[in-house]
Amino acid sequence: GPKVLQIPSHQIIDMGQMVTLNCDPVSNHLYFYWYKQILGQQMEFLVNFYNGKVMEKSKLFKDQFSVERPDGSYFTLKIQPTALEDSAVYFCASSRDRDYEQYFGPGTRLTVL
Amino acid sequence: QQQVRQSPQSLTVWEGETAILNCSYEDSTFDYFPWYHQFPGESPALLIAIRPVSNKKEDGRFTIFFNKREKKFSLHIADSQPGDSATYFCAAHNTNTGKLTFGDGTVLTVKP
Repeated sequence: GPKVLQIPSHQIIDMGQMVTLNCDPVSNHLYFYWYKQILGQQMEFLVNFYNGKVMEKSKLFKDQFSVERPDGSYFTLKIQPTALEDSAVYFCASSRDRDYEQYFGPGTRLTVL
Repeated sequence: QQQVRQSPQSLTVWEGETAILNCSYEDSTFDYFPWYHQFPGESPALLIAIRPVSNKKEDGRFTIFFNKREKKFSLHIADSQPGDSATYFCAAHNTNTGKLTFGDGTVLTVKP
């Protein structure tokens, strides 16, 4: 089936540093999402993005978070500065439309020390 | 307030039995209800989904039963196999926002 790619698979950084998580969504998809999953817990919605804009964000999407997709390249999640509680697996997803199935990437495991 | 509740937290069945996983939701604006399964270290993958116009959806060994009035839906896995062992998440989708709200997950173990 369609594949969403995420780079890197693993990232370890020191608290206070900036990190950028990259997502390569399915090529004809127009809606993009980030979800956060702390080990053993549910996946929680962070943000969705369409046509260059944030459509909706949750209270987990702190001011230190930002998303963009410059010129159709990677859909990115940037955290600046990072905090210890940002340690989690971040999943990117994409869908053709809001009403269609979301395909998930393999996740980026972020560890903030 | 948790929007999507899932039970049980963990479930163990023998090979060949039917596993039943349950979910309930609060928000009446949810309009699409998928089930995902997730193997350790992998991404969630869509298993089966239902819209509220139906009360049942079957795909092979997997069946969703949906009760709109009670705001409940369940996943039945017939003839469970050891390869079905995974974490199963129910979710509810709001088309207006495109947002998926997940349950806490059920860890299913199928013993041979």
